[in-house]
Amino acid sequence: DAGVIQSPRHEVTEMGQEVTLRCKPISGHNSLFWYRQTMMRGLELLIYFNNNVPIDDSGMPEDRFSAKMPNASFSTLKIQPSEPRDSAVYFCASSFGRGTAGELFFGEGSRLTVL
Amino acid sequence: EDKVVQSPLSLVVHEGDTVTLNCSYEVTNFRSLLWYKQEKKAPTFLFMLTSSGIEKKSGRLSSILDKKELSSILNITATQTGDSAIYLCAVLRGTTNFGNEKLTFGTGTRLTIIP
Repeated sequence: DAGVIQSPRHEVTEMGQEVTLRCKPISGHNSLFWYRQTMMRGLELLIYFNNNVPIDDSGMPEDRFSAKMPNASFSTLKIQPSEPRDSAVYFCASSFGRGTAGELFFGEGSRLTVL
Repeated sequence: EDKVVQSPLSLVVHEGDTVTLNCSYEVTNFRSLLWYKQEKKAPTFLFMLTSSGIEKKSGRLSSILDKKELSSILNITATQTGDSAIYLCAVLRGTTNFGNEKLTFGTGTRLTIIP
């Protein structure tokens, strides 16, 4: 079982550039979550999808952030334009079942550094 | 706003010691409390607790929930260097209406085991 796959593992970019993070959930899981982790704020939920439909995007910081899930096996999180305060580790997680009621399986994260 | 507070923030002990990690929460419509272990990369699931007073156990790790005190503890006995990690507590709240659930994480306890 491949687990949740995220890419890139590391991204270093300059302020103002567009960043796209990618996620492939575990096959058969129907809920997908994007989290951001920083030392100061810990793990924060940005958005979650169920059956490819966004259910709760209240954690998306601002309009610079957008997420899509065009099919059951792929999701993207885009930041445009990026800012230094966006530097963090971005985790994608998936679960089987409705919403967040079940155990989450996390990917290994994408570490973003915005200079 | 939902709150999940973990203590201590960090802990350094010697191999073989027993440790107790704490998690307290303030959420509306509490459903369950989850513990995750995060080593270098992705958080991995340890326990889900829903009922007060019932201990969950996995090897040297055990956890119990106290709904009256709005708290949980995670115990690790006979610690080993492999137990070094960040331990995350998360609380799930929500009603039975789909889309209402939310999982809020604490900032974690960083545990270091010295050989």
